[in-house]
Amino acid sequence: KQEVTQIPAALSVPEGENLVLNCSFTDSAIYNLQWFRQDPGKGLTSLLLIQSSQREQTSGRLNASLDKSSGRSTLYIAASQPGDSATYLCAGSNDYKLSFGAGTTVTVRA
Amino acid sequence: KAGVTQTPRYLIKTRGQQVTLSCSPISGHRSVSWYQQTPGQGLQFLFEYFSETQRNKGNFPGRFSGRQFSNSRSEMNVSTLELGDSALYLCASGASGSIDTGELFFGEGSRLTVL
Repeated sequence: KQEVTQIPAALSVPEGENLVLNCSFTDSAIYNLQWFRQDPGKGLTSLLLIQSSQREQTSGRLNASLDKSSGRSTLYIAASQPGDSATYLCAGSNDYKLSFGAGTTVTVRA
Repeated sequence: KAGVTQTPRYLIKTRGQQVTLSCSPISGHRSVSWYQQTPGQGLQFLFEYFSETQRNKGNFPGRFSGRQFSNSRSEMNVSTLELGDSALYLCASGASGSIDTGELFFGEGSRLTVL
């Protein structure tokens, strides 16, 4: 059974600081790793998808890396803004389903 | 391009009742999956459908069921509701037909409260 862990559970930073969010998974047989953002009471917004054959993906200020051998993925958010405040979830894909971590709740202070 | 549409957005039921939730995927997507989100358990996989066939099912009791129609719209049903079924139910839409789920796109969810 896939277990996904996200550390830290919560993070508070001043505006402009870079964010580093960690995700680890127990089963390296994932087909891809997806990062999502969730605002309170809302659904999930897809941020980045990393295929198992890839090492990283970038979109604007976001960069995500994937190391299947060590079972880790990291999401970097450069120059954080108050609008980045949200819960960030990672999920590993296998057998037609996603296994989610519990998320990291980020607060960016103005 | 319209996103994933879930209805109803909010509903309140009492214990013992049943509920049906609906999900319309992104046009052209044939995979629909369902997830339950609670503060204590986080996001948990319920089931996934592709072209009307259930391809995987999570570890939930038989009270939870689903189906997919020929137009890819999906419904999930929960019978004999319990207090613990109170949750945000999220539907995800995907284009992938392979075992790799591909990128998934989520709806806003249906928030169920059981009294």
